[in-house]
Amino acid sequence: GAVVSQHPSRVICKSGTSVKIECRSLDFQATTMFWYRQFPKKSLMLMATSNEGSKATYEQGVEKDKFLINHASLTLSTLTVTSAHPEDSSFYICSGGAGGSTDTQYFGPGTRLTVL
Amino acid sequence: QKEVEQDPGPLSVPEGAIVSLNCTYSNSAFQYFMWYRQYSRKGPELLMYTYSSGNKEDGRFTAQVDKSSKYISLFIRDSQPSDSATYLCAMSAARGSTLGRLYFGRGTQLTVWP
Repeated sequence: GAVVSQHPSRVICKSGTSVKIECRSLDFQATTMFWYRQFPKKSLMLMATSNEGSKATYEQGVEKDKFLINHASLTLSTLTVTSAHPEDSSFYICSGGAGGSTDTQYFGPGTRLTVL
Repeated sequence: QKEVEQDPGPLSVPEGAIVSLNCTYSNSAFQYFMWYRQYSRKGPELLMYTYSSGNKEDGRFTAQVDKSSKYISLFIRDSQPSDSATYLCAMSAARGSTLGRLYFGRGTQLTVWP
C-alpha cells in the first residue's frame, strides 16, 4: 500500500517553456502533499506543502510564481515550472501524507527535469 | 548548526557485514523518526518508522532511537549487494492528517560488495 506515482519520469524542455509534473496517490487519500527538489548527492529540499483545496505554503526562497502548485483532489497534486531555465534542472520528488496510524510520507519515484 | 546531521559517507562493506548508520539532531521536539532508502535516480522508500525512544526490528533492519542523546541509528544485518543505496534519516515533531514537516539528513551512500 501507500503508492505514489509521478508523471513524467523524465522531461527535457527548452528554456522559457513551462513544464507540468503530476503526482498521484494511487491507493490512499493524501490530504497533504509535499514537493521536494534534490540536487546530485544532496538531500531533499522541501519546496512547498499543499493541502487539498488550499493554496500551497512555500518554503523561504522558493518562488511561488515560478513553481505553481495545485492540489485539486485528495489523490492529485501538480507542480508547474513556469518559464523554465537551465538552473531549474533538477530531480523533483513529491510525497503524500497518509495520516492514520503511520503518519509519515510516501514518496513518488521522482521526475528528472532537464532544461536546455 | 543543521537540525539533522548525517555522515554522507561513502560507506563500503563486504557482503554479510553488519552496517551501522547514524544521525544526530538538535531539536528536542522531534518525536517521529524514519529511515528511507533511495536507489539512484529513484524516490525515497520508507524502511523504518519509530515513535519516541526505543528499538524497532523488521527483518534484517533494526532502528534505534535515543532521545536523551538525540541520536538515531539504523543497523543492517547480513548486508547484501541489493542494500547498496543512499540511506536518509528523517524526523518530525508533528503528527496528524496535516502531517508535520520532515527534516532530512544528507543521506549516507552505502555500497555492499560481493
